[in-house]
Amino acid sequence: QVQLQESGPGLVNPSETLSLTCTVSGGSISSYYWSWIRQPPGKGPEWIGHIYYSGTTNYNPSLKSRVSISVDTSKNQFSLKLSSVTAADTAVYYCARGALAYGSGSYFDYWGQGTLVTVSS
Amino acid sequence: DIVMTQSPDSLAVSLGERATINCKSSQSVLYSSNNKNYLAWYQQKPGQPPKVLIYWASTRESGVPDRFSGSGSGTDFTLTISSLQAEDVAVYYCQHYYTTPPTFGQGTELEIK
Repeated sequence: QVQLQESGPGLVNPSETLSLTCTVSGGSISSYYWSWIRQPPGKGPEWIGHIYYSGTTNYNPSLKSRVSISVDTSKNQFSLKLSSVTAADTAVYYCARGALAYGSGSYFDYWGQGTLVTVSS
Repeated sequence: DIVMTQSPDSLAVSLGERATINCKSSQSVLYSSNNKNYLAWYQQKPGQPPKVLIYWASTRESGVPDRFSGSGSGTDFTLTISSLQAEDVAVYYCQHYYTTPPTFGQGTELEIK
């Protein structure tokens, strides 16, 4: 059974960089697409971007200038960096697996429990 | 981006009755080369991540009760719960995966009448 777990600070100062890591267990990260998705309080989810184990990335154009996703296959982890954060970036951040091992569009079959990140001074 | 619009925003249904949630995409999510609709449905309970119920618009995920069904094609889709159970109280989302970025609907909150 694949499991994902997010980790990182729950509070980030405005204008700084949000950094989160997702650890994958119960399966290898060396296949599938691995995504970051966020959900502001009371709103629907928003896809941030994804990475393939080879390092190929694709980002949401609305966030592309501020986002970087990387992968460490030796640790079965992938990470998110979101720069120049504001209060609008306050959300629950999820990591998730794209169910389709081919192509870049997918639905998501495994999710982490999510971590609330608050942007505030 | 493809915009996903759900209706209604909230819904109250009696136990044992049918619940119907609609989802409309701003452009077709039917891929003509394989005749598949790139549309999924999720259920989200408080404090939990979304859980996929349906993909390819009508394929039920393993372990999902058969009272959940999906239908539709092109731009108009429906999630139906044939006989509402207490444990079905949740927010439901549709999501397209036809292109990137994949986008979600705004959600439909389902409660017991």
